[in-house]
Amino acid sequence: QKEVEQNSGPLSVPEGAIASLNCTYSDRVSQSFFWYRQYSGKSPELIMSIYSNGDKEDGRFTAQLNKASQYVSLLIRDSQPSDSATYLCAVKVNAGKSTFGDGTTLTVKP
Amino acid sequence: GAGVSQSPRYKVAKRGQDVALRCDPISGHVSLFWYQQALGQGPEFLTYFQNEAQLDKSGLPSDRFFAERPEGSVSTLKIQRTQQEDSAVYLCAIGTTNEKLFFGSGTQLSVL
Repeated sequence: QKEVEQNSGPLSVPEGAIASLNCTYSDRVSQSFFWYRQYSGKSPELIMSIYSNGDKEDGRFTAQLNKASQYVSLLIRDSQPSDSATYLCAVKVNAGKSTFGDGTTLTVKP
Repeated sequence: GAGVSQSPRYKVAKRGQDVALRCDPISGHVSLFWYQQALGQGPEFLTYFQNEAQLDKSGLPSDRFFAERPEGSVSTLKIQRTQQEDSAVYLCAIGTTNEKLFFGSGTQLSVL
């Protein structure tokens, strides 16, 4: 079992819809949680970070964290075709390495 | 990314050849990470530096892999006697004080 699990997808949503991306992690002492977006042929770029239980909103993006359930999610409101990419969930236990999931591929159809 | 420059962008090696991949971060960044990303997978941690000290090399897959950062700035990842399974994108990232990673454009290594 991987330390960070994501549905590989592909997830397809129509333009304007809400895209919901999910991630579970195995290490209960994980402290920091991140979502990265990776366009095809490009390197990952950070879009959200979350450190405490609850919701964190940034523009059209909302990250949700539930440490008791070891679950992190990313909601993208008013999805746009430009949001089509692979979304990587990453988890840190402490200073040092981040552990990544294999990503969920999102396609937003016009 | 603008904060990290990696070279070469592409590298083709014959099996058994040694390769060196370079990462040049903008000055002042203490933490530097190397990741390996195979096609269709997430980045896998290789190693981590704080300044010139290699604090974690637990992700290096074999003793053929070696990384250094002698002056706490430029880092080099060296792979000796390359194998086909080494084919991947090698990503270098700088870490911020709040633990976020900013990646370079990566080096795509193809071993024939």
